[in-house]
Amino acid sequence: EVQLVESGGGLVQPGGSLRLSCAASGLTFSSYSMNWVRQAPGKGLEWVSYISSSSSTIYYGDSVKGRFTISRDNAKNSLYLQMNSLRAEDTAIYYCASSTSFDLQHWGQGTLVTVSS
Amino acid sequence: QPVLTQSPSASASLGASVKLTCTLSSGHSDYAIAWHQLQPEKGPRYLMRLNSDGSHTKGDGIPDRFSGSSSGAERYLTISSLQSEDEGDYYCQTWGTGGVFGGGTKLTVL
Repeated sequence: EVQLVESGGGLVQPGGSLRLSCAASGLTFSSYSMNWVRQAPGKGLEWVSYISSSSSTIYYGDSVKGRFTISRDNAKNSLYLQMNSLRAEDTAIYYCASSTSFDLQHWGQGTLVTVSS
Repeated sequence: QPVLTQSPSASASLGASVKLTCTLSSGHSDYAIAWHQLQPEKGPRYLMRLNSDGSHTKGDGIPDRFSGSSSGAERYLTISSLQSEDEGDYYCQTWGTGGVFGGGTKLTVL
């Protein structure tokens, strides 16, 4: 069974930083592209970032470009999201999701990030 | 960049069927999409990949009650024999210069 488990969420002040992690099991992690998706309170799903299986291709959504950095460690079956210069509008549940094509096939349960003073 | 449009809400009775719609923007009617379910207090769940010709591939463990179909720029998710646990938000998703989600449809099972 595929399991994706996010961690690292919490309360952070505006302008602060946070690093999210996603631990993967039950799949050949190095064969999958990975994504971060978020859902702000009362809002819909928003795609945040993508990283290919070998880390050779990376994309970001416009709202996080220049502030967030996605990375992965295939030896540790782990995905990361370094979030800097956080804003109130970054408050959301953050999910990691795996993909082999365009569709996000496996999802984690999410970790809550709250940006507030 | 494709845009996906969904009705904000839908409702149907327990045991009945419901058809949710996701509309692709002009010039993108040949795109495949994916359907995802977001249940209260749970993470998203991948339902299926749906191609422009209506063929679809379901995710692991998705019951036969869930099916997909296509017509032009419209992509449909049909849920038959509705159960209470089907209540939640349903999102369509595709890819442009990055991931693209529709606004979601909140399904209420009466």
